Amino acid sequence: SAVISQKPSRDICQRGTSLTIQCQVDSQVTMMFWYRQQPGQSLTLIATANQGSEATYESGFVIDKFPISRPNLTFSTLTVSNMSPEDSSIYLCSVEDGGFGSYEQYFGPGTRLTVT
Amino acid sequence: AQSVAQPEDQVNVAEGNPLTVKCTYSVSGNPYLFWYVQYPNRGLQFLLKYITGDNLVKGSYGFEAEFNKSQTSFHLKKPSALVSDSALYFCASNDNTDKLIFGTGTRLQVFP
Repeated sequence: SAVISQKPSRDICQRGTSLTIQCQVDSQVTMMFWYRQQPGQSLTLIATANQGSEATYESGFVIDKFPISRPNLTFSTLTVSNMSPEDSSIYLCSVEDGGFGSYEQYFGPGTRLTVT
Repeated sequence: AQSVAQPEDQVNVAEGNPLTVKCTYSVSGNPYLFWYVQYPNRGLQFLLKYITGDNLVKGSYGFEAEFNKSQTSFHLKKPSALVSDSALYFCASNDNTDKLIFGTGTRLQVFP
């Protein structure tokens, strides 16, 4: 399965600022995803990062708040803009691997964000 | 709308005893079902999946899960629990697209 790394692993940021999270995969993948895991809660899909086109956002998430880039098949970034304490979460990227139609997703280690 | 339910927030079991972590699903069509495990301060790790075929699916670390269509369940099981199995377990399903819908998670605590 694909090996996924994320930077930074954690950060503490002041409200009103922005943070860009990087996700790097060791192989080319078509599908990449960004999730949010709020404290003590499950994972919620933010968006699907599409290579060569704009990301597809889920209900409740907008591009102005969570701009995403996907410049190639091994890399993506998620920016959390104009942060507030409510954005304190773990942000995880994932890729779909395991062959065509497997729908298996593999996750990066996550970025733990605290907004003060 | 598709959903996945994990009715137990926490499951406690003694080491060496069998464990079960429950999951039920509500999906249209044929479900793809998954189990993931999250250890402290780490990302999710894929354990196993059911797509079609044998209702008993075997996965990593000695875990298995049984697909039961009539009960719309996909419970995770292990014959003999280890202390190192203590973690947060998530059941998930896809909605016949690439999107995964996760349950709320069950914390497994295995006591020595």
